[in-house]
Parts: sequence; structure tokens; C-alpha cells
Amino acid sequence: DAGVIQSPRHEVTEMGQEVTLRCKPISGHDYLFWYRQTMMRGLELLIYFNNNVPIDDSGMPEDRFSAKMPNASFSTLKIQPSEPRDSAVYFCASSLGPRGETQYFGPGTRLLVL
Amino acid sequence: AQTVTQSQPEMSVQEAETVTLSCTYDTSESNYYLFWYKQPPSRQMILVIRQEAYKQQNATENRFSVNFQKAAKSFSLKISDSQLGDTAMYFCAFMKQTSGSRLTFGEGTQLTVNP
Repeated sequence: DAGVIQSPRHEVTEMGQEVTLRCKPISGHDYLFWYRQTMMRGLELLIYFNNNVPIDDSGMPEDRFSAKMPNASFSTLKIQPSEPRDSAVYFCASSLGPRGETQYFGPGTRLLVL
Repeated sequence: AQTVTQSQPEMSVQEAETVTLSCTYDTSESNYYLFWYKQPPSRQMILVIRQEAYKQQNATENRFSVNFQKAAKSFSLKISDSQLGDTAMYFCAFMKQTSGSRLTFGEGTQLTVNP
């Protein structure tokens, strides 16, 4: 299996621009997670989906952030408009099930907002 | 809310030696799961080991083993015969059985293996 695939790997944009991060989970995994990693806050869960339905979005920082999962093999995390404080590494992860199943992470997208 | 604490921001060890990374957590739950992930310079998050709280036996994966002390809420990671490729940031993580799938991570411990 190819593992979790994320694109782009690096993104540099200017403040105010729209940013879209993409994720393809491992085939057969019903759960998909978006995490953000920063020096100040460490690793934090933004949102997760079960069978393409958002289950918990309490970690989404504000309305500028939105996430969708139109089908079982694709998810997007969008930031509009982007701000310098959004600069971070964004990880997508997927797992087979909810209870203690291992989450497999993608390589991450390093976002820099100037 | 659950918290995970890794009190050692940095550690170093000589190649072939053994090192133990500490992790404590705070929860009122009785059933949960604990994980150690490593993040090498590539930034990829890689599962090292997983422990189910209801299991008394400590999990092991080759050179990696844990010391799980449920009463003390402690979950340390032991790396035996350290290798240069073990150099990475190590994160301890907690998942409630009832929370669905939310992972709560510690701050991380940067481990450097010296030749």
C-alpha cells in the first residue's frame, strides 16, 4: 500500500490567499484525521471524519478553516483567507476504526504564509 | 480533559546503549490506549508501539518496549541497542476508548543517538 498521500508537500503563500491541502487515505480506512503541528502548540487534532462524515471539528481554529471529504479516497483542508499564524505542518492520518486503532500519518504539508 | 506530559525535552545516548523515555498522563478513564510515535528529520510520523490499558503485559516491538504502570499513569519507552536511525523526536500519545479516535500528544522528546 502507498500509505497516506498528501499534497503539496510544501506550500508558500501570501497572507490573504486561499490555501488547499489534499489528502488520500489508505484504501479501506474509514477514519480520516487532520492534525496541525506548531512549535507553540505541538500536535493538535483539527477535525476527523468517519465514512466521509465530519465527526468532531472542535479543533478547527476558526471559520477561516474548512474541511471536506467528498468520497472515501479524498479529503481537503482549506484555509481562506490565510494568515501568517497558520504557518505550520499539517498532517493527514487514517485508521481502520475508532477504538484504539493505529492512526497512520501522511508525510505532512509544510505551509508558510508570508 | 486528558493531558500527556513528557518531562525530558532532549536526551542523548551512545550507539548500542539503552535509553528510556518518560511519559506520564492524566485521565479519569479506565479504558484507553497509549502510543509512542517517532518523527525523524523527514517529519514523517511513524508508529513505534501501542499499548491497550486493559492489558497487563507490556508491549514490545523488537528493540522497543514499554513499561506501563497504570496506577502511576506512567508509560515509558525503552530503546535497546540504540541505532543512529533512532535519532528522532518521540511523542507519547493517549486515546480514550470512548472518545472515538482523538489522539492527545505530549510535547515530545528529541532523542539523539551518537556514534
